[in-house]
Amino acid sequence: ETGVTQTPRHLVMGMTNKKSLKCEQHLGHNAMYWYKQSAKKPLELMFVYNFKEQTENNSVPSRFSPECPNSSHLFLHLHTLQPEDSALYLCASSQEGSWNANEQFFGPGTRLTVL
Amino acid sequence: AQTVTQSQPEMSVQEAETVTLSCTYDTSESDYYLFWYKQPPSRQMILVIRQEAYKQQNATENRFSVNFQKAAKSFSLKISDSQLGDAAMYFCAFNIYYQLIWGAGTKLIIKP
Repeated sequence: ETGVTQTPRHLVMGMTNKKSLKCEQHLGHNAMYWYKQSAKKPLELMFVYNFKEQTENNSVPSRFSPECPNSSHLFLHLHTLQPEDSALYLCASSQEGSWNANEQFFGPGTRLTVL
Repeated sequence: AQTVTQSQPEMSVQEAETVTLSCTYDTSESDYYLFWYKQPPSRQMILVIRQEAYKQQNATENRFSVNFQKAAKSFSLKISDSQLGDAAMYFCAFNIYYQLIWGAGTKLIIKP
């Protein structure tokens, strides 16, 4: 695997389900991000992990719970979601502190549908 | 407030012609990076071009170039000799520390 991978690519869940999204980066980066992408809206930054420490959560509802066990893996745990949470969830990584600051590399995303 | 505005929700261009996508932003910072990202249909977001705000020279990457006007806080993307593979959503963004601030995107349609 190369770059940033995300699984699953598509997920349909009911409002009472619990599921998790997984992201893995193979780039040796030290920062990882979760974004929510909705149609015709700017990307919404949800969570940032820098050196495995969460540094930003942007007032995301508690039904979204991130986990970063190491610098290569990032999870987004989902529970009791709402239909308006249906969106494309993108994971990204970057190497903070490098000369090409903030160039983020993205995964293909997970298309989430909440019924 | 840190914002990015892409005023063109959709643009179309004939294959082989030139198209310019507009982007304006607002920040009180003086040192930052600006980016154009491309997201083809059902494919991953990739970086197209990057500009450092302290550099006056406009960045160029093959057929892609920018017109960076720092005082006007404008950062447009020019695509020359448009190709079918250029069809995508294009997002403008700039960074504040570790965080990217994004525009809503412009959908570019290439007419064969």
